[in-house]
Amino acid sequence: NAGVTQTPKFQVLKTGQSMTLQCAQDMNHNSMYWYRQDPGMGLRLIYYSASEGTTDKGEVPNGYNVSRLNKREFSLRLESAAPSQTSVYFCASSGGQGARTEAFFGQGTRLTVV
Amino acid sequence: AQRVTQPEKLLSVFKGAPVELKCNYSYSGSPELFWYVQYSRQRLQLLLRHISRESIKGFTADLNKGETSFHLKKPFAQEEDSAMYYCALGPQGGSEKLVFGKGTKLTVNP
Repeated sequence: NAGVTQTPKFQVLKTGQSMTLQCAQDMNHNSMYWYRQDPGMGLRLIYYSASEGTTDKGEVPNGYNVSRLNKREFSLRLESAAPSQTSVYFCASSGGQGARTEAFFGQGTRLTVV
Repeated sequence: AQRVTQPEKLLSVFKGAPVELKCNYSYSGSPELFWYVQYSRQRLQLLLRHISRESIKGFTADLNKGETSFHLKKPFAQEEDSAMYYCALGPQGGSEKLVFGKGTKLTVNP
């Protein structure tokens, strides 16, 4: 059982380049999330998806787009990367009820924009 | 709206001292609350959930509905407890969304 898998683990981009971060979960969860975590800081929600085909902006959505094409996968796209987007990106999924409720996180993508 | 507040960004204690990480929530119904931990350069993982009333790695957390709090406590901190700690709320109603606080970075000094 792989849980939440993110690719790539590391990425260096030049300013203005684009890239897509991939995330997949195998727990049949409806909810999926993208967060960024800056050095020494806490999580900030970029986008949330409650189900396939639906997405909601989080706290810091500017400069990002997301796609939830199916229940398993939730991708994050940077159309024109900026140095301010240098961060660690975490994907997560959650589901279950009551005592079985839990969120699972991916291992993170360390992105550097130069 | 659901909201989770962790008032301390940073918390520093000495080994063997008691530690309390504060969490307050905003929700009008019966909450489900969780603590997650993130060790250096690792992913977040569930530490404990209030519904289980468990103690994990010596940590406990009690839900206080009157004060809308879910503080995380440990009587004797260890150096290996140094990590980021996140309080989380939810899901509620028809939503499965979990809402996370901003996190508290705990440093346990030798």
